[in-house]
Amino acid sequence: SQKIEQNSEALNIQEGKTATLTCNYTNYSPAYLQWYRQDPGRGPVFLLLIRENEKEKRKERLKVTFDTTLKQSLFHITASQPADSATYLCALFNQAGTALIFGKGTTLSVSS
Amino acid sequence: EAQVTQNPRYLITVTGKKLTVTCSQNMNHEYMSWYRQDPGLGLRQIYYSMNVEVTDKGDVPEGYKVSRKEKRNFPLILESPSPNQTSLYFCASTGTGGLGYTFGSGTRLTVV
Repeated sequence: SQKIEQNSEALNIQEGKTATLTCNYTNYSPAYLQWYRQDPGRGPVFLLLIRENEKEKRKERLKVTFDTTLKQSLFHITASQPADSATYLCALFNQAGTALIFGKGTTLSVSS
Repeated sequence: EAQVTQNPRYLITVTGKKLTVTCSQNMNHEYMSWYRQDPGLGLRQIYYSMNVEVTDKGDVPEGYKVSRKEKRNFPLILESPSPNQTSLYFCASTGTGGLGYTFGSGTRLTVV
């Protein structure tokens, strides 16, 4: 069956450092992968999408890589700030293309 | 402002009392979906709709109904709520190609 795993449930880093979150998937051949941010009790907010033919994508302090051979995406936040503290979710469409399947998320805490 | 609006934000109800959670989007999106989010289980899709009058089951449809009579609205109906439907519910929508979902703010439902 299709699985998405975000290896760390929680990640604690100091302000100014780079946070790196991992998303691994199995039994998928996705055309693209998405990353979302979720604050407690709120709906996920779309951040970035990366296609299978793109190795890397950047948006301000965010960088996403996509390695279809390793079946892995890395999500980086550079110069992290306390305001970056949230849960980050990766997501892929199921094989039928009818549902976005989410990983369980990694909760990032940035301390000042 | 482009948004998905869910109501109510919080709801406490008793077992067996029918309820409807409303969802409306103002982006002319074809695709809409309902998710529930539970600790340790992440986001799971309940139902989705590819367009008006086209709906189908997601991963956890038991105990729920939906309808899509207009493009902007996608209500979630619980005909006879039970305590195991206590959860945080999200409605989401996206346009053609499914590139980036827009989520509502969520409905926290408690069934006692």
